[in-house]
Amino acid sequence: DAGVIQSPRHEVTEMGQEVTLRCKPISGHNSLFWYRQTMMRGLELLIYFNNNVPIDDSGMPEDRFSAKMPNASFSTLKIQPSEPRDSAVYFCASCSGGGASREQYFGPGTRLTVT
Amino acid sequence: GQSLEQPSEVTAVEGAIVQINCTYQTSGFYGLSWYQQHDGGAPTFLSYNALDGLEETGRFSSFLSRSDSYGYLLLQELQMKDSASYFCAVRGNTDKLIFGTGTRLQVFP
Repeated sequence: DAGVIQSPRHEVTEMGQEVTLRCKPISGHNSLFWYRQTMMRGLELLIYFNNNVPIDDSGMPEDRFSAKMPNASFSTLKIQPSEPRDSAVYFCASCSGGGASREQYFGPGTRLTVT
Repeated sequence: GQSLEQPSEVTAVEGAIVQINCTYQTSGFYGLSWYQQHDGGAPTFLSYNALDGLEETGRFSSFLSRSDSYGYLLLQELQMKDSASYFCAVRGNTDKLIFGTGTRLQVFP
């Protein structure tokens, strides 16, 4: 299996621009998570989907952030407009079972820099 | 609320044994997971404890005491490649994992 696939791996953009991060979960996994990692705040869960339905988006920082999962093999996280404080590594993870499944499989991450 | 506490950094030499502690405070508890993350890499799953006691997986072991809301990860025969950050994560009543802030382990020759 190829594992969780994320693109792009690196993104540099200017403040105010729209950013779209993409994720392909492991085939057969029915739960998908978007995390953000920074030195200051550690690993934060942004949103969690189960069977393509958003279950918990309480971690989404504000209306500038949105996430979709149109089918079982694809999800996007969009930031519009982007701000310098959004600079972080964004991880997508997937697993079978529920959101608190003990073993989640993380993708390689997207390192976002907003200047 | 929910919170997890881990030491921020631990250092050790090759061949030694190191223990990384994790104390947690959650609404309900189902289990404690451990993840390893190398610099520039993604977190990878190491172990899971749902019941009290020690779980052993090769050089790594994980321990849980539910009555003390405490667990630890034990790394034996340390190798340079074990230098990484280690995160504990709790499965509570909410349907998601809550991650600790991570412990950075540095192994010296």
